[in-house]
Amino acid sequence: QSVLTQPPSASGTPGQRVTISCSGSSSNIGSNTVNWYQQLPGTAPKLLIYSNNQRPSGVPDRFSGSKSGTSASLAISGLQSEDEADYYCAAWDDSLNGGVFGGGTKLTVL
Amino acid sequence: QVQLQESGPGLVKPSQTLSLTCTVSGGSISSGDYYWSWIRQPPGKGLEWIGYIYYSGSTYYNPSLKSRVTISVDTSKNQFSLKLSSVTAADTAVYYCARDSVEMATKFDPWGQGTLVTVSS
Repeated sequence: QSVLTQPPSASGTPGQRVTISCSGSSSNIGSNTVNWYQQLPGTAPKLLIYSNNQRPSGVPDRFSGSKSGTSASLAISGLQSEDEADYYCAAWDDSLNGGVFGGGTKLTVL
Repeated sequence: QVQLQESGPGLVKPSQTLSLTCTVSGGSISSGDYYWSWIRQPPGKGLEWIGYIYYSGSTYYNPSLKSRVTISVDTSKNQFSLKLSSVTAADTAVYYCARDSVEMATKFDPWGQGTLVTVSS
């Protein structure tokens, strides 16, 4: 059972916009920034969004993040086949005094 | 460009200690701007934060693993290491090392490629 809750799966067709949610609590998302990771099959995770809504250099602006209260969301617009991957949210938890991840969402491009 | 590379045995017997090293290249592990982290991923499952170390030796561990985990740093070799004691099959996972930001915890970037450690007799 992960501290942060994500839907196990999501899907969309090429060109569509999809969103992935990440639900937490006051001790993690409610009081700290959220980061998102993309894990392509057989590879290490890659930082996709940091500090709730910032994109590292090289990440397309099709990817965007937002946070409200104790929840966060990752949005992918103009869905492409290469976006098919697992996506994870992460945040610091002040109660656990440690980092916590969501359980991951497997995105399928139909 | 900073790169991280994990190394260590791929097979560990139950009840023994898992030992891994992460070598940092392209940057100094003694930079005060970063923590140096270990994260693992059991086959087919999600990510789990194990803990991190600052160059000074200060550590933070996942409470669920704290009694079995030791993370250490060797600034002279630009390396940091993980030891996990009394392993069981549940500790079988791909182990990643990653750089974390002091200012924004859980901003892991970059990551090592990961190394699979199997616990089996």
